Amino acid sequence: DAKTTQPNSMESNEEEPVHLPCNHSTISGTDYIHWYRQLPSQGPEYVIHGLTSNVNNRMASLAIAEDRKSSTLILHRATLRDAAVYYCILRRPIYSGAGSYQLTFGKGTKLSVIP
Amino acid sequence: ETGVTQTPRHLVMGMTNKKSLKCEQHLGHNAMYWYKQSAKKPLELMFVYSLEERVENNSVPSRFSPECPNSSHLFLHLHTLQPEDSALYLCASSQGPAGASTDTQYFGPGTRLTVL
Repeated sequence: DAKTTQPNSMESNEEEPVHLPCNHSTISGTDYIHWYRQLPSQGPEYVIHGLTSNVNNRMASLAIAEDRKSSTLILHRATLRDAAVYYCILRRPIYSGAGSYQLTFGKGTKLSVIP
Repeated sequence: ETGVTQTPRHLVMGMTNKKSLKCEQHLGHNAMYWYKQSAKKPLELMFVYSLEERVENNSVPSRFSPECPNSSHLFLHLHTLQPEDSALYLCASSQGPAGASTDTQYFGPGTRLTVL
C-alpha cells in the first residue's frame, strides 16, 4: 500500500501562510501526489496534485522534493474556511479497471486556523 | 455543490432491516466509488465501478451489496448490518475510464448511517 506520513495536527493564524508537510518515502515513479481536504460535515474535496514539478492553482501550491519522497502543501493566506483535515495521497491505478484510480486515505493533518 | 448527491443524508436502521443508499452524479463521469468513514479510522475504499462494471471490491462483507445501473447512479444495498457498520458512507465519481493525471474524484456529502 502506498503510505504517506503527515503530522496529526497543525495550527495557523488567520491571514498567514501554512506549510503542510507530507512524507512518502515509498513513492514509485508513476505515483501522482494528490491532496484533498475535508471540511467538517462534508465529503473530501480535491485541492491539488502533482508528479514531479511544483504546481500552483487558485487554492494552493504544491512543492515536491527533488527525490519525490516528500511534498508540502502551501496555503498562502489561511482563512477560517481553510480549517479542515488535509490528506496527502499517492494515487495509484486499479489495474483491473482501465483508467480507474485508487486513493488510499491516511489520517491526514487537522488544520486549525486561529482568528 | 460538487455535482454528486447522496440520499438519504441520515439513516437509522435495525440489524434486521434492509435499506439502500443512493448516489447520483451530474458530471458526466464514468467511474463511481463507495467509501466508508468510521469515527476513528481513515476513509476506506469499498467499491469501484468503471463504465458500470465493478472493478474493485476491497474485501467488503457481503452484507454490503453495490449496484450501478448506469453511469450516473450508484446504490449500496444494506442488509443484516452490525452496529460496527455505523459510519459515514461517501460516494465519489471521476472522469474515468481513460483517466489522465488530472483525474479528480468528486465526493458527495455522505450518508450518516447508524445501526442499532
